[in-house]
Amino acid sequence: DGGITQSPKYLFRKEGQNVTLSCEQNLNHDAMYWYRQDPGQGLRLIYYSQIVNDFQKGDIAEGYSVSREKKESFPLTVTSAQKNPTAFYLCASSISWMNDQPQHFGDGTRLSIL
Amino acid sequence: SQQGEEDPQALSIQEGENATMNCSYKTSINNLQWYRQNSGRGLVHLILIRSNEREKHSGRLRVTLDTSKKSSSLLITASRAADTASYFCATRREDAGNMLTFGGGTRLMVKP
Repeated sequence: DGGITQSPKYLFRKEGQNVTLSCEQNLNHDAMYWYRQDPGQGLRLIYYSQIVNDFQKGDIAEGYSVSREKKESFPLTVTSAQKNPTAFYLCASSISWMNDQPQHFGDGTRLSIL
Repeated sequence: SQQGEEDPQALSIQEGENATMNCSYKTSINNLQWYRQNSGRGLVHLILIRSNEREKHSGRLRVTLDTSKKSSSLLITASRAADTASYFCATRREDAGNMLTFGGGTRLMVKP
């Protein structure tokens, strides 16, 4: 079945440590997105990628980095510069950046600080 | 900044009743989408309504859009316990490709 796989499901970060969240899709979608969700809140866009080898900052990119070397993969690194990383991170994809197709979501990674 | 704001923030109803959630937004939009999120899971797309549409149906879901009031509503008819989830509206801004801006969500509880 096609879909988006995020791993790990739970992740713990020590102070000063960078951690990387994995996002893989087999939907052949061009566009991919990373969102942060805080408890009881909506989603905020961290980074997005319209096509392979391209990515753009979203609304809250500070303290995060991404890469898009392969169409199916869009990993997110939470760096030590992100002082409040505890949140639920969601990856999504869509067929294209420029049409009305809905976004498909993975089941998230919950990141906590040790 | 969050474009859409849902109302109410939380809603508790009995099975079989209808549930209505509202969404207001601030700027011009291309379309408005509703998503559902079960606890601890990702979001699932429910329905999309374009700016030139006023009403759309999908099964037990009915969505309306009033661009003059910059608002939308999601009606779930004959609710079931399995409808318990958070519901989010998301707007696709005219100036931002397929970038979606999500509201804070309505937490719906349907009691059996």
